[in-house]
Amino acid sequence: QQQVKQSPQSLIVQKGGISIINCAYENTAFDYFPWYQQFPGKGPALLIAIRPDVSEKKEGRFTISFNKSAKQFSLHIMDSQPGDSATYFCAAARFVTGTASKLTFGTGTRLQVTL
Amino acid sequence: NAGVTQTPKFQVLKTGQSMTLQCAQDMNHNSMYWYRQDPGMGLRLIYYSASEGTTDKGEVPNGYNVSRLNKREFSLRLESAAPSQTSVYFCASHEQGENYGYTFGSGTRLTVV
Repeated sequence: QQQVKQSPQSLIVQKGGISIINCAYENTAFDYFPWYQQFPGKGPALLIAIRPDVSEKKEGRFTISFNKSAKQFSLHIMDSQPGDSATYFCAAARFVTGTASKLTFGTGTRLQVTL
Repeated sequence: NAGVTQTPKFQVLKTGQSMTLQCAQDMNHNSMYWYRQDPGMGLRLIYYSASEGTTDKGEVPNGYNVSRLNKREFSLRLESAAPSQTSVYFCASHEQGENYGYTFGSGTRLTVV
């Protein structure tokens, strides 16, 4: 049972282009939606995250767009660079103060940015 | 450097052997997690510990046990390794109730032959 569905599985974008990765979730109790970036041989690292009370969050070249009614969120990478080549994971969790917040991850998108 | 330290980085086991993966964090986080990463399946939660002294099953706990030794350390044990447990294992920590992301270790690549 895949609670967070991610697409595409892989993506090739030219340098300077826009990379778009999409995720859809099922559990309406989720209230925290982060994106993680993973380079080969490394652990995932938090890139950007959003709460459902806003529809968009931007940090530098990275933007999360969130559609609560459609239960979808996406990552946009503007002006993509070869250094952005990595695997990207979306995730979702329900935050409850005082307890662990278990992240449910998507299956990942391997992004390659070509020159 | 502050963060999550995992040992070993690589391990090859024979079917039926046992081993313990070690994880330690120095950020004073309450919650710790073990995930496995397999191609095309993302990261799946094996076990987690909300705080020192507590552990709970995640999505794929069968074949594993954990110990939260103290606030810093959270170990994962394979009692009788199987080829299906060939994977990359990641430990992570997080501060409860804060809107901060997990901090992941660099992983343990385990092969069971």
